[in-house]
Amino acid sequence: AQSVTQLDSHVSVSEGTPVLLRCNYSSSYSPSLFWYVQHPNKGLQLLLKYTSAATLVKGINGFEAEFKKSETSFHLTKPSAHMSDAAEYFCVVSDTARGFYNQGGKLIFGQGTELSVKP
Amino acid sequence: EPEVTQTPSHQVTQMGQEVILRCVPISNHLYFYWYRQILGQKVEFLVSFYNNEISEKSEIFDDQFSVERPDGSNFTLKIRSTKLEDSAMYFCASSETGAGRYFGAGTRLSVL
Repeated sequence: AQSVTQLDSHVSVSEGTPVLLRCNYSSSYSPSLFWYVQHPNKGLQLLLKYTSAATLVKGINGFEAEFKKSETSFHLTKPSAHMSDAAEYFCVVSDTARGFYNQGGKLIFGQGTELSVKP
Repeated sequence: EPEVTQTPSHQVTQMGQEVILRCVPISNHLYFYWYRQILGQKVEFLVSFYNNEISEKSEIFDDQFSVERPDGSNFTLKIRSTKLEDSAMYFCASSETGAGRYFGAGTRLSVL
């Protein structure tokens, strides 16, 4: 069965310093992986997705993630944090046993990582 | 930018009462979903809906739950007889092709 583990429940960085949010996945298949962000009182917004194309995926707002099959990891990074990046971040894998992501298969969420950005 | 709208933002109900959570998906989308997040736990899949029928449901989605698309624009989740453990944030999502899920801001359900 597919699963994701987010290794940190809370990360705190200073504005202008790099961000690293860690995620490990477990999948019997070639996974589709995503990062979603949730700002307070807002919906879950897709940051980026990996679907077996380039292993380095660029997303919105300067975020990127690298798929590393040997390490079963999909860590999210950003070179320089901004105050507006403070939010909850979710690493997500699609249920490829049920069907491919593009066919409406369910998403399996990690526990979430709360990112705080200090001025 | 189009968005998924959920109402109400917070619903308080008594145990045993019926509740209906409402969602307005993005207008040209064909796939619809409900997820929930109990406080302190992971976001969990409940159900997916396509072509006017349930395409997949989780073990959480028992006979107390039902979904409906009553008028071609709304997508509702009904809980017939709420339990304390139904207290959670409920997220609606939609997608055009099955890819690129767009999520709403959620409805916080509090069962007293």
